[in-house]
Amino acid sequence: QTVVTQEPSLTVSPGGTVILTCASSTGVVTSGYYPNWFQQKPGQAPRALIYSTTNKHSWTPARFSGSLLGGKAALTLSAVQPEDEAEYYCLLYYDGAWVFGGGTKLTVL
Amino acid sequence: QVQLVQSGAEVKKPGASVKVSCKASGYTFTTSYMHWVRQAPGQGLEWMGIINLSGGTTNYAQTFQGRVAMTRDTSTSTVHMELSSLKSEDTAVYYCARDTSGAIPGDHWGQGTQVTVSS
Repeated sequence: QTVVTQEPSLTVSPGGTVILTCASSTGVVTSGYYPNWFQQKPGQAPRALIYSTTNKHSWTPARFSGSLLGGKAALTLSAVQPEDEAEYYCLLYYDGAWVFGGGTKLTVL
Repeated sequence: QVQLVQSGAEVKKPGASVKVSCKASGYTFTTSYMHWVRQAPGQGLEWMGIINLSGGTTNYAQTFQGRVAMTRDTSTSTVHMELSSLKSEDTAVYYCARDTSGAIPGDHWGQGTQVTVSS
């Protein structure tokens, strides 16, 4: 059973920078896992932010960026805003199937 | 604009089946895929499977193999997800999510359908 692991929680100050990571139990995450990132606020459906490691959707704020970092997929939030407080999920592709990470609860404090 | 509108909430007894629908509009239905994702109360997102809306081929998460069926009706631009042998642990919000290429999941999401399994 493949497991995708994210930090359970992170805290960042407004205006700061934070990096969320996404690791695979199978080993190094590469672009072939097509890492995706989603934001979810309470009571809402998830919203896509990043696809295929680094690509932004037309609605994704410029302060969000995706990358590969130290064998993991990463989501960097720069100049964090209070409205970025949310749960963030990564999604990785495994030969026809997809697996979500457990999510990172980001607190802006 | 792209819209995915899901069917309403369901309450089912253990052992029963549930069928959730997702009606798409605002784009060419058969040029995309549809994922189904669920979220149990207070829990994270769980990927259930994907259906190719052109040919109808499916790929299901191992967890749901044998218990889930995803189908599509091209005449009504509707996708269905049926989950059988329901257990209390299947209580969750079920979402459909569009994928335009097979590798860009969830650019648009349905509003979610609450399924409650209770005796």
